[in-house]
Amino acid sequence: DTGVSQNPRHKITKRGQNVTFRCDPISEHNRLYWYRQTLGQGPEFLTYFQNEAQLEKSRLLSDRFSAERPKGSFSTLEIQRTEQGDSAMYLCASSLVGTGDEKLFFGSGTQLSVL
Amino acid sequence: AQSVTQLDSQVPVFEEAPVELRCNYSSSVSVYLFWYVQYPNQGLQLLLKYLSGSTLVKGINGFEAEFNKSQTSFHLRKPSVHISDTAEYFCAVSSNDYKLSFGAGTTVTVRA
Repeated sequence: DTGVSQNPRHKITKRGQNVTFRCDPISEHNRLYWYRQTLGQGPEFLTYFQNEAQLEKSRLLSDRFSAERPKGSFSTLEIQRTEQGDSAMYLCASSLVGTGDEKLFFGSGTQLSVL
Repeated sequence: AQSVTQLDSQVPVFEEAPVELRCNYSSSVSVYLFWYVQYPNQGLQLLLKYLSGSTLVKGINGFEAEFNKSQTSFHLRKPSVHISDTAEYFCAVSSNDYKLSFGAGTTVTVRA
């Protein structure tokens, strides 16, 4: 068990560019979550997957954001036409549902800076 | 919808002193309550959670929290802190098992 892994750790991009982040959950975890954390705030829920199905998306997730989990394992979060307001820490978490003691394991996040 | 208010943004404390981090929540339904800790350059780690049952919940690293339904609070306490407890602490509420609503966080700085 190597924990939840996120890549890259840091991403600097220019406004208008597209960026993609990757999350590798703990193996065998069937749920995967994306959260966003801005400076001085707690994480905010963006979306989550049960296996490969995306079951809920927050209103925070504009049309420029898309997340996938094609084979029910790793997930990608893409932001198109980035804006300065997208600058934040993007957190991924995973959990194993059905054990009666589900808890979220978080990765260290990807810090996005949009210039 | 649920929300969380962490009443203290910064808490300085001396080593071996007790600490209490305050958390109030609002919700129209039954909730689950959590405390997470975030050490520098690390992911969020679950300290403890309240789902049901005893209102006093014990967690890792000597932390405990008490659920108070009448006051809608879930304060976190530790009787004696160590330098290594320096971190940011987040209170969170959920009405299910996946969508957490976090507070803004409390930064705890432990000094020798």
